[in-house]
Amino acid sequence: KAGVTQTPRYLIKTRGQQVTLSCSPISGHRSVSWYQQTPGQGLQFLFEYFSETQRNKGNFPGRFSGRQFSNSRSEMNVSTLELGDSALYLCASSLDGSVTETQYFGPGTRLLVL
Amino acid sequence: AQTVTQSQPEMSVQEAETVTLSCTYDTSESDYYLFWYKQPPSRQMILVIRQEAYKQQNATENRFSVNFQKAAKSFSLKISDSQLGDAAMYFCAYRGRTQGGSEKLVFGKGTKLTVNP
Repeated sequence: KAGVTQTPRYLIKTRGQQVTLSCSPISGHRSVSWYQQTPGQGLQFLFEYFSETQRNKGNFPGRFSGRQFSNSRSEMNVSTLELGDSALYLCASSLDGSVTETQYFGPGTRLLVL
Repeated sequence: AQTVTQSQPEMSVQEAETVTLSCTYDTSESDYYLFWYKQPPSRQMILVIRQEAYKQQNATENRFSVNFQKAAKSFSLKISDSQLGDAAMYFCAYRGRTQGGSEKLVFGKGTKLTVNP
């Protein structure tokens, strides 16, 4: 079974631009979570989607948004990019997002904002 | 809010030796899960081992085992017979039902493990 895939793997943007990252979960997984990883803040939860609905959101500004499609693929969007948005963005999928389920991570998208 | 603390930013071990990575957490919940994830330099986060809080028996996966002390809120990872491929960042993570019904993962800051030949 194929793992979690993320595209693109690397991205360079300039301040003020917007960016869209994509995540395809493991086949059959309906929950997708997004995390931001930076050297200073570590891994921080952005949001989780299940059955096309956002179930929870972390403490990030409204510039960070996401959505999920009927095939469980998810996208996250960051508008008006800031230098501090440079990070590795990881998505993780699980069957139904319940506490009993293990989350499986993708390779991440490395975003550099200049 | 739940917190996870990894007090060792870096650790090193000789190949074939045993090393223990520490993790403590804070929660008022009774139903939760604990995980150790490994992130090699290639950046793919891989699950190493998981522990259900209601189970008293410590989880074991081949050379990896945990020492789960629920009362002390401690969850350490022991790697036996360390191999060069074990070199990576190791993250301890907590997953429980936080306020609002979220089942998000809460991560520690990580421990960078170096394996010396």
